[in-house]
Amino acid sequence: EPEVTQTPSHQVTQMGQEVILRCVPISNHLYFYWYRQILGQKVEFLVSFYNNEISEKSEIFDDQFSVERPDGSNFTLKIRSTKLEDSAMYFCASSHLTSGGVETQYFGPGTRLLVL
Amino acid sequence: GENVEQHPSTLSVQEGDSAVIKCTYSDSASNYFPWYKQELGKRPQLIIDIRSNVGEKKDQRIAVTLNKTAKHFSLHITETQPEDSAVYFCAASIRGTGNQFYFGTGTSLTVIP
Repeated sequence: EPEVTQTPSHQVTQMGQEVILRCVPISNHLYFYWYRQILGQKVEFLVSFYNNEISEKSEIFDDQFSVERPDGSNFTLKIRSTKLEDSAMYFCASSHLTSGGVETQYFGPGTRLLVL
Repeated sequence: GENVEQHPSTLSVQEGDSAVIKCTYSDSASNYFPWYKQELGKRPQLIIDIRSNVGEKKDQRIAVTLNKTAKHFSLHITETQPEDSAVYFCAASIRGTGNQFYFGTGTSLTVIP
């Protein structure tokens, strides 16, 4: 069964550094998402992406964040200047479109980001 | 925007007993309610979902009920097993739009052998 994959699984960075988190969505999926989960808290939506543009974003997704689909398979989340509070697990998800509409979201294994 | 609340935050049951987790939502436009199971350090995995045109859905030991009028939905696990121990998240969304999922705060279920 195809799955969403993410790299790296863990990333440690210094405050102020840029990080890029990578995701490979399921191949026939058209909608892509990033969520984050601070340790012990609920999963929070960051951004959704469809047809090469952002379709929805949350208040968390400020100017420090950007997303890109650089090729036909990858979907990336960039944090330009990381802050301590960006430390979290970042999940990528994807969903596909059927005659019944957009189906459920399938999550990747996550990237645990630690900002020091 | 949508607000999803989930109770209880922790739940311990004896193996073989049933577990019930409840969620409420605020936006009457929400029409899709998935449940995810997340084991420690792993990805959230979809275990069951329900759409607003049905009131109940069952898959083996897992069932979900939905009350649109009251805006609440529940996860029922019967004959619990130790491998059911995990954190369970409910979510609400407007299906068919690619919209975000709004997640509940999670329930940590422990099944005691």
